[in-house]
Amino acid sequence: DTAVSQTPKYLVTQMGNDKSIKCEQNLGHDTMYWYKQDSKKFLKIMFSYNNKELIINETVPNRFSPKSPDKAHLNLHINSLELGDSAVYFCASSQGTGSGYTFGSGTRLTVV
Amino acid sequence: GQSLEQPSEVTAVEGAIVQINCTYQTSGFYGLSWYQQHDGGAPTFLSYNALDGLEETGRFSSFLSRSDSYGYLLLQELQMKDSASYFCAGPRDTGFQKLVFGTGTRLLVSP
Repeated sequence: DTAVSQTPKYLVTQMGNDKSIKCEQNLGHDTMYWYKQDSKKFLKIMFSYNNKELIINETVPNRFSPKSPDKAHLNLHINSLELGDSAVYFCASSQGTGSGYTFGSGTRLTVV
Repeated sequence: GQSLEQPSEVTAVEGAIVQINCTYQTSGFYGLSWYQQHDGGAPTFLSYNALDGLEETGRFSSFLSRSDSYGYLLLQELQMKDSASYFCAGPRDTGFQKLVFGTGTRLLVSP
């Protein structure tokens, strides 16, 4: 069973479109995250949710709107896509301990 | 800032030992974690140092010195499959709800 699964794996879309990425974890973790990895492989936190509640919004443009219907799911909706949004987006979850984050396989978003 | 700096690339041969360093630019991290990421893959957790000293997990060891704002990942008996990017990461809170990643080090292992 996949621990953290996100869909789709690849997303190619035109500027100005709206798209969503879905994420689900079956680890029973309380906290979920969205990270963005740019072309230089720099990983930057975007959002952090604990038990469906937003706890960190790392100055992400409000075109990005996360939604957590329950603690096992954290989706990311992006409005009015821009070229600079092209990146790999990773969902992750953790139990809030030093045992680390578990990442999904990533969604490679390409805006053309 | 809240940055963690790493060398951009390290090369080594199979069977060798390599050390990947990580230095903080500021205080406020609750320990140091390490992650491995193969090309096209997801980051995977390797280790966490909450306190100063050396933690050993098989061929990998991780070290932390909080007074020096410095840590490293030591990989022994290198194998070709160890070729990957390695990231240090510092939790900014005790709940580990904000993990700040370092700049990443690409390790290339040659035969």
